[in-house]
This record gives sequence, structure tokens and C-alpha cells, in this order.
Amino acid sequence: AAGVIQSPRHLIKEKRETATLKCYPIPRHDTVYWYQQGPGQDPQFLISFYEKMQSDKGSIPDRFSAQQFSDYHSELNMSSLELGDSALYFCASSPLDRGPYNEQFFGPGTRLTVL
Amino acid sequence: LAKTTQPISMDSYEGQEVNITCSHNNIATNDYITWYQQFPSQGPRFIIQGYKTKVTNEVASLFIPADRKSSTLSLPRVSLSDTAVYYCLVGYADKLIFGTGTRLQVFP
Repeated sequence: AAGVIQSPRHLIKEKRETATLKCYPIPRHDTVYWYQQGPGQDPQFLISFYEKMQSDKGSIPDRFSAQQFSDYHSELNMSSLELGDSALYFCASSPLDRGPYNEQFFGPGTRLTVL
Repeated sequence: LAKTTQPISMDSYEGQEVNITCSHNNIATNDYITWYQQFPSQGPRFIIQGYKTKVTNEVASLFIPADRKSSTLSLPRVSLSDTAVYYCLVGYADKLIFGTGTRLQVFP
């Protein structure tokens, strides 16, 4: 079965650089979620999109932005990278927005390292 | 302040039942409670989801009291491969919040 695809899987950047993470949801899933997980920490919800519109917003820094495109893939844009941005970034997709049966299917994650 | 808390860690032996509780005092009225399993450097994997009372599937049960301020994941007979971190995920008014995670260690 098709799963959530994230690219790249690994990314190394230097401070103050920019990075773009991509997420391709499971076909026919129109909701996408982004999470950040630091070493030894629980995933922190960043932002979500439903039908190409921002749905919920969590602890996403102002330096980050995201969008969902017409084909439902999503991109997380990160600017002015800081050392503290080093983390695993997960994307998840769901066939529904908040509410019942909104099981989220997680991708393998992108490991971002900021040097 | 929305907060979702779990015990930091639990130890068990193969074949035993394990119960992990998550506290979520301000859960949104319409939101479900979902539990995930995560292995190192992998994305969380869905275990079970429920709204209230009891839900059971082929791998786990989920107990949710009437006030929905907590939930308990029950793993009936754990094996070594169940060693992982377990998270509850709860929706609040404007955001989704993962619990603090419970690291389950299963011993032979």
C-alpha cells in the first residue's frame, strides 16, 4: 500500500540557510500535518492543512512557512536556520480533518541537521 | 493550558498485560484520542483510536472514562518487539498535542 513520502530523508544545512521539506500524502488523503521531533522529545505539532487551506497552527516559528498545493503535496519552508532547528520532521496525512476517524499516517521523516 | 501527560517509562515481561495511561484534561469535545507506537528514528505508527468507553482491535484495547479526561491503552500480551515509545495524541481547541510519551521496555 502507498505510504506517505517525505523528501529529502536527510538534510544538512548551516546556520542562517534555508531549507525546504516536501511531503507527498497517501493518495486521496487531503489533510496534511507537520511535526517536529527533537532528540528524545515528543513530536510537536507545527501546522496542518485541509483541502489546501491552513487548518490548525501549533508551535511553528515565524521563520517557518508551509503550504499545501493543488496535488495535495505539502512543503515546509524553513529560513534563517538555527542550531535548535535540528530535529526529525514528520509529515502525516489523513483522509479527514479534525474529528472522527482522522487516523494520521506518518511518513519516515526528514532528519535536518543544522551546523 | 492544554497538557497531555503520560508516565515516562514502564517495564514489563513478555506475555504480560501492559496498561499505559494518558491524562488530557482539556480535550476538545469532538476530538478523538489516538495512540501511536514509535521506534527510534521512525514515524509514529497508529495503534488504536477512540472517543469514549472501550475500543478493541487486534493489537490493543483503549479505555476512556465518561469524563474523557484520561485514557488507558492496554496491550494484552506484550512481546520483545513491543519495546518502543507510546504516545497518545489528543485534539484541543486549536491544536493537536502529543503526550509526553511512555518508553516501554519489555524483558524476556
